[in-house]
Amino acid sequence: QKEVEQNSGPLSVPEGAIASLNCTYSDRGSQSFFWYRQYSGKSPELIMSIYSNGDKEDGRFTAQLNKASQYVSLLIRDSQPSDSATYLCAVINDYKLSFGAGTTVTVRA
Amino acid sequence: GAVVSQHPSWVICKSGTSVKIECRSLDFQATTMFWYRQFPKQSLMLMATSNEGSKATYEQGVEKDKFLINHASLTLSTLTVTSAHPEDSSFYICSARFAGGISEQFFGPGTRLTVL
Repeated sequence: QKEVEQNSGPLSVPEGAIASLNCTYSDRGSQSFFWYRQYSGKSPELIMSIYSNGDKEDGRFTAQLNKASQYVSLLIRDSQPSDSATYLCAVINDYKLSFGAGTTVTVRA
Repeated sequence: GAVVSQHPSWVICKSGTSVKIECRSLDFQATTMFWYRQFPKQSLMLMATSNEGSKATYEQGVEKDKFLINHASLTLSTLTVTSAHPEDSSFYICSARFAGGISEQFFGPGTRLTVL
């Protein structure tokens, strides 16, 4: 069983729309959760971290965490073509990051 | 702050040769660094955890004699791919964690290795 699973992509949204990305994890004891953005040929860059249940907003990004459901999501509001990338959900397990397979988002102009 | 560099950014080598990749934390001390490998259209897979002054801990299935890791200082870790073969061609990415930190990792820009 995979430790971190993400909704399958690719996800195509029109410019200005909301992109919704979902992630579930298997280790109920996980405490730290991250969303990374990865452009093609580049390394991941951290866009959000969340540690407590509820919502966390940073600009156009909102992360949501529900530990009871072992679920973490990312909303991208007012999507821009520059948001087109692969988004990786990552969870800390035993001090190590476990990554999901990623969801590729394409924002259509 | 929290900048991690890697060198080289890309390398092409012949089969059977060894390649060394450096990972440096430029503006912070990193007691722990991590080495990942990413094949095309796949996610990052952790290869090993490197702790300053001690032996690296390798993930299951990663050959420690093939992928030599040295973490000699708080700002430098190196990965040497020994006797490289075409199947070792991949994107190698390091990350570093603050001394005393337990979660957030900062990633280097990656090294593209192509073995002919």
